[in-house]
Amino acid sequence: SAVISQKPSRDICQRGTSLTIQCQVDSQVTMMFWYRQQPGQSLTLIATANQGSEATYESGFVIDKFPISRPNLTFSTLTVSNMSPEDSSIYLCSVGSLATDTQYFGPGTRLTVL
Amino acid sequence: GIQVEQSPPDLILQEGANSTLRCNFSDSVNNLQWFHQNPWGQLINLFYIPSGTKQNGRLSATTVATERYSLLYISSSQTTDSGVYFCAVEDSGAGSYQLTFGKGTKLSVIP
Repeated sequence: SAVISQKPSRDICQRGTSLTIQCQVDSQVTMMFWYRQQPGQSLTLIATANQGSEATYESGFVIDKFPISRPNLTFSTLTVSNMSPEDSSIYLCSVGSLATDTQYFGPGTRLTVL
Repeated sequence: GIQVEQSPPDLILQEGANSTLRCNFSDSVNNLQWFHQNPWGQLINLFYIPSGTKQNGRLSATTVATERYSLLYISSSQTTDSGVYFCAVEDSGAGSYQLTFGKGTKLSVIP
């Protein structure tokens, strides 16, 4: 299984600011994803981070609000821009394993926006 | 898109009891996984089970793809089993590994 780390693990931010979350994987992976989990809710896919091309966003999520970078096969960043209290959530990155057909998740970044 | 429904939404068990969690999905799937989210928020993959039956220790899972449901069995529950159990599916018409999650079953195991 892949070992995934995220930074920061948690943060408290002021509205109107932006936060960049980093996701590092211990091996090269083709598929990397970003999910959001709002308080007490399930996980919702934000986007697929594609290496060498723009991310593919799900309905309801836009690049201006959640810009994503994927400079190589082991690293990605998600930026939450112009934050409001409604952005308070856990943000998780995940990777898919072709070998096992399973998906592995990072520990998450717990964001609180005041 | 595909719909995923889990039941029950909440479950309280005495330590040592057994339980069955259910996941219904609305369309054919390429991929079905069960996850456990512990109280600290970490998601742990329990099973990849698009069909058939698997067992891992006290946990087992069965998916009947033709009837569009999956069951997660927890036997001899322990307090460390507490947390939220999610079922997630990959729509056979969607992109690879794009999972749709159910709302989860929150399990509390009391001593």
